[in-house]
Amino acid sequence: EIVMTQSPATLSVSPGERATLSCRASQSLSGHLAWYQQKPGQTPRLLIHYTSTRATGIPARFSGSGSGTEFTLTISSLQSEDFAVYYCLQYNDWPYSFGQGTKLEIK
Amino acid sequence: QVHLVESGGGVVQPGGSLRLSCVASGFNFVDYGMHWVRQAPGKGLEWVAFIRFDGTKLYYADSVKGRFTVSRDNAKNTLYLQMSGLRGEDTAMYHCAKDRSGSGDWFDPWGQGTLVAVSS
Repeated sequence: EIVMTQSPATLSVSPGERATLSCRASQSLSGHLAWYQQKPGQTPRLLIHYTSTRATGIPARFSGSGSGTEFTLTISSLQSEDFAVYYCLQYNDWPYSFGQGTKLEIK
Repeated sequence: QVHLVESGGGVVQPGGSLRLSCVASGFNFVDYGMHWVRQAPGKGLEWVAFIRFDGTKLYYADSVKGRFTVSRDNAKNTLYLQMSGLRGEDTAMYHCAKDRSGSGDWFDPWGQGTLVAVSS
């Protein structure tokens, strides 16, 4: 089973600033990494798939990068609606697995 | 527009069984794989199970293998999760989600979920 580790657990950033979230896999994912955003009381929303491809309707301030076992989600200029919990998902091998999440909070 | 509606959740005693359903609309259900994902109260996301578009391949999280069974009825556009040997740690909101393809890939969107509570 592939273990996904996200860091940090909580990230405090001011609106307008840049946020960088990390996700590490216990083995290579061949790029099969997605990012989801979850706001309180809502279902998760897909942001990024295949490491760096934005899902339909996702603003350009969200970008994904990485390779092998190390991946990053960057939000270039935080808006109020971006404060949420973010999860990475590996879909390279069964069973699929999520990271434990990073809570992005207002500083 | 894709629409997924889960049902079948409720309160069940430890060791009991429950069957969840997910009715799909807005896309050709027969062409897509489907996932179950759960989220315990206040906790993170846990992938649970996947079924290929034709039902010929099934995959499970280690935590549910041997206790849960995923199935589908393509004629009814419905996905199921049969849960048995339920434990307290199975208490969660259970969501179904549409795979990008028929055979396993990223998945979106998700249904709103159905709540399962395992308690004596």
